[in-house]
Amino acid sequence: QVQLQESGPGLVKPSETLSLTCTVSGASVSSGSYYWSWIRQPPGKGLEWIGYIQRGTTNYNPSLKSRVTISVDTSKNQFSLKLSSVTAADTAVYYCARDVDNIRFDPWGQGTLVTVSS
Amino acid sequence: DIVMIQSPDSLAVSLGERATINCKSSQSVLYSSNNKNYLAWYQQKAGQPPKVLIYWASTRESGIPDRFSGSGSGTDFTLTISSLQAEDVAVYYCQQYYSTPPTFGQGTKVEIK
Repeated sequence: QVQLQESGPGLVKPSETLSLTCTVSGASVSSGSYYWSWIRQPPGKGLEWIGYIQRGTTNYNPSLKSRVTISVDTSKNQFSLKLSSVTAADTAVYYCARDVDNIRFDPWGQGTLVTVSS
Repeated sequence: DIVMIQSPDSLAVSLGERATINCKSSQSVLYSSNNKNYLAWYQQKAGQPPKVLIYWASTRESGIPDRFSGSGSGTDFTLTISSLQAEDVAVYYCQQYYSTPPTFGQGTKVEIK
């Protein structure tokens, strides 16, 4: 059974960099079979795809591309998200998820709330 | 980006009755090379991450009850819950992956009447 778990600071100051890690169990992040994605959801709002990584190849949402970096650590079976120059608009629950065949996201991590505030 | 619009924003249905949610995309999500619609449906219960119910517009994910069904093609899609159960109270989202970035509808909240 594949499981994902997000971790990282719950509070980030404006203009700083948000950093999160997703630890994967039950599957290998180095496998070429899947893509590994980050998705966010502002409180009470809808879902926004941030980007994915597959074997070192990345693809980002153009709306965030200038501020986003997704990387992978195969030794720890983790992938990570960095979002720079954050503002209050980046406050959201951040989810990591496995992207299956570029058609669906399954499963998802439980999500972690990141608040941007001074 | 492809814009996904769901209707209604919310609906209240009696237990055992049918619930129908619509999703319209701003352009077709039907891939002509394989004749598949790149459209998925998710259920998100309060305090939980989304869970995929349907993909390829009408293929039920393993373990999903058969009261959930998806239909439609091109730009117009429907998620139907044939007999609403108490545990189906949730927000439902459609999502396209015909093109990047994948985008989601705004969500439809389903409640018990």
